[in-house]
Amino acid sequence: DTAVSQTPKYLVTQMGNDKSIKCEQNLGHDTMYWYKQDSKKFLKIMFSYNNKELIINETVPNRFSPKSPDKAHLNLHINSLELGDSAVYFCASSQATSGSGDTQYFGPGTRLTVL
Amino acid sequence: GQNIDQPTEMTATEGAIVQINCTYQTSGFNGLFWYQQHAGEAPTFLSYNVLDGLEEKGRFSSFLSRSKGYSYLLLKELQMKDSASYLCAVSLNTGGFKTIFGAGTRLFVKA
Repeated sequence: DTAVSQTPKYLVTQMGNDKSIKCEQNLGHDTMYWYKQDSKKFLKIMFSYNNKELIINETVPNRFSPKSPDKAHLNLHINSLELGDSAVYFCASSQATSGSGDTQYFGPGTRLTVL
Repeated sequence: GQNIDQPTEMTATEGAIVQINCTYQTSGFNGLFWYQQHAGEAPTFLSYNVLDGLEEKGRFSSFLSRSKGYSYLLLKELQMKDSASYLCAVSLNTGGFKTIFGAGTRLFVKA
């Protein structure tokens, strides 16, 4: 039983293309996230949704557009891909509680390479 | 601004004890997380501290001092499989379920 799943695991594409990454969680969590981890391994939040509503939108180029059709799914569409978009993208989910805070459960990651 | 500092790399010997420090300066603080990330894998949750003090969980313990903006992760009886990156992360109370991560400490465990 995979808790947080992402597809695809690897994505190699040319500059200028448009691509999507899909994420699904079966934990019943209300909140989902997209993170970008660059070559220096720095994990940076991009977006967060709570019950399908966008609540965090960091300084991310508007070529990146998240979509949450329901609270179990959060997809990421990227237009006009650039070389600097090459990174590992992690989806995560959480259910905030007083005891464990907003502990996040991460998907396996999507390694995006833009050529 | 938000800032989390932790050493870039550490090396320790199998069976030993290692302490990974983290200092933070953030606007708003709910609690502090430690995550473990093996190479090529996703981060996984290790601990969450809200109150000052030491929380022990098996071989791993985590300490927090809110007044000093300081935390550490203590790993005992090191095993080769503990070689990984350890990410310090702060949960903010500025609204919106936001957690910011440090750059991580790569721990190498040698025989």
